[in-house]
Amino acid sequence: DIVMTQTPLSSPVTLGQPASISCRSSQSLVHSDGNTYLSWLQQRPGQPPRLLIYKISNRFSGVPDRFSGSGAGTDFTLRISRVEAEDVGVYYCMQATQSWAFGQGTKVEI
Amino acid sequence: DVRLLETGGGLIQPGGSLRLSCVVSGLSVSSNYLSWVRQAPGKGLEWVSVIFNDDFTNYADSVRGRFTISRDKSKNTLYLQMNSLRAEDTAVYYCVRFAASSGSLDYWGQGTLVTVSS
Repeated sequence: DIVMTQTPLSSPVTLGQPASISCRSSQSLVHSDGNTYLSWLQQRPGQPPRLLIYKISNRFSGVPDRFSGSGAGTDFTLRISRVEAEDVGVYYCMQATQSWAFGQGTKVEI
Repeated sequence: DVRLLETGGGLIQPGGSLRLSCVVSGLSVSSNYLSWVRQAPGKGLEWVSVIFNDDFTNYADSVRGRFTISRDKSKNTLYLQMNSLRAEDTAVYYCVRFAASSGSLDYWGQGTLVTVSS
């Protein structure tokens, strides 16, 4: 089974400053079809998760462009260019290349 | 607009059974991958089960043999029958659409809380 490891698990941030979260998989996430099914989810306090990024770097509908994703193979990064108050919450990476697996989550707090 | 609305959660004793429902609007349950993802209190996300068509279902090892996923096309509703419930099944259960083309969980319900306790 693929294991997803996020770092850090907690990230104090400053409003207006950038922030980044790393996600590493135990195996390459390149699928036999050539795609890499790595996505990022945001869960604000008291809310269900929400899709931010899919296939490494594609923003989902309605997601602000301050969110970006990058990476390849086994190492991936979510970046927030300028943190806003509404970005507080827990962020999860998820792979769907081989079955499904989530990272442990990274708590972003001001 | 795509909407998923879960119902059926509650307090149940260990060993008991519960059926969760998810009424879906804005997309068809018969032509989409639909799944259940759960989140124990204060914990992360755990995939539970997925259904695509009449001959494709899959389950996490932790629930295989105890939980059954199904759907009713006429009601456009997804179900999760949960038997032999354990304390470790206590969680918020989310109904989620899996978009196969993007490999992502793109539409989520609000969730329903299942508490297994005596």
